[in-house]
Amino acid sequence: GQQVMQIPQYQHVQEGEDFTTYCNSSTTLSNIQWYKQRPGGHPVFLIQLVKSGEVKKQKRLTFQFGEAKKNSSLHITATQTTDVGTYFCAGQGASGTYKYIFGTGTRLKVLA
Amino acid sequence: DTAVSQTPKYLVTQMGNDKSIKCEQNLGHDTMYWYKQDSKKFLKIMFSYNNKELIINETVPNRFSPKSPDKAHLNLHINSLELGDSAVYFCASSRQGASTGTQYFGPGTRLTVL
Repeated sequence: GQQVMQIPQYQHVQEGEDFTTYCNSSTTLSNIQWYKQRPGGHPVFLIQLVKSGEVKKQKRLTFQFGEAKKNSSLHITATQTTDVGTYFCAGQGASGTYKYIFGTGTRLKVLA
Repeated sequence: DTAVSQTPKYLVTQMGNDKSIKCEQNLGHDTMYWYKQDSKKFLKIMFSYNNKELIINETVPNRFSPKSPDKAHLNLHINSLELGDSAVYFCASSRQGASTGTQYFGPGTRLTVL
């Protein structure tokens, strides 16, 4: 079945450093979403990417969808302590079902 | 007003008991989901209902039974609880449609089985 892996599993950065998490799907995706989960909280939607090669920015966050629609990345510039949390990608299969498979997540810690 | 609410927030129970978790959404969404998040933070989909119809039923023990009395509610009943059922259970909802699947998650129910 479809699998979605993320690397790294954990990342500790100093405040102000950049951070990137990578998401890889075993199958071609119709679209991909990114979520952030703060410690003790619930996943919160960040963005959805649909087109091959799409790049979207939200302030210090840059999201990219690969040309083959099998991978994606999230880059945070100049991390802040408020960026702490677990970042998940969630991919929807090309068959367009309702099901999103969540990635394994990357836990980010930002040291002040 | 909370968009997606779950009750209870915490649930501590003994092995072998039966328990239910309730979920309600006031977003007018047609699709609702149950996810299980284990201690390693892996988030796995369990079930999904669209307009009260079961559309996703992952490989989950049949001790777990979802019920959707109407499209604003999705409950999860668990029979004969086991230690391995300890996890955080999240309910989520989204508008109908494959390309508009932004999911809104509830606050979660932390289930501890002793």
